[in-house]
Amino acid sequence: DAGVIQSPRHEVTEMGQEVTLRCKPISGHNSLFWYRQTMMRGLELLIYFNNNVPIDDSGMPEDRFSAKMPNASFSTLKIQPSEPRDSAVYFCASSLRLRTGINGYTFGSGTRLTVV
Amino acid sequence: AQSVAQPEDQVNVAEGNPLTVKCTYSVSGNPYLFWYVQYPNRGLQFLLKYITGDNLVKGSYGFEAEFNKSQTSFHLKKPSALVSDSALYFCAVRDGPHAAGNKLTFGGGTRVLVKP
Repeated sequence: DAGVIQSPRHEVTEMGQEVTLRCKPISGHNSLFWYRQTMMRGLELLIYFNNNVPIDDSGMPEDRFSAKMPNASFSTLKIQPSEPRDSAVYFCASSLRLRTGINGYTFGSGTRLTVV
Repeated sequence: AQSVAQPEDQVNVAEGNPLTVKCTYSVSGNPYLFWYVQYPNRGLQFLLKYITGDNLVKGSYGFEAEFNKSQTSFHLKKPSALVSDSALYFCAVRDGPHAAGNKLTFGGGTRVLVKP
């Protein structure tokens, strides 16, 4: 199993540009989570999906952020327009949500975003 | 609502000495508890979890954690720390099997520095 795959690993963009981060969860996992990590705020949950349906997007900071999960094997997090304060490491994680029992998350390696 | 606190931003320990990383939690029901480790420029990796049963849980890399319901704590421990244990450690909690979704709440993280 290749694990959770995120792309790109690094992204440097100019303020105002659109940024799209991509995530491929582990095959068979039915929950997907997007997190943002910064020194100031730590690890923040932005949004999560169960069975491709967004369940809780209360962590999405602004309307500039949007996330989609068109199918079970792909999700995107888009920032438009990007701002310097969006600079952070963005992690995607997936999990198998069962009716009983609990599984932890498997995290991707993250995308380090720098907005200049 | 569920929450988790890691009271120490950083823990310093000499190699070979015991290591403890503290975590306390708050949930309305029975907790599901997790520890994750993050090495530099990497995603979070699962260490161990407590769901039910024995209060002492053993995990990867020689780590263990003790669930204490009366103190609402789940401290991570290692009897003899290694320099390679230097990393960022996260405690996480989920509010039992009936909680909606599959959402974990993470603590702010504790940086562990093991000195030779």
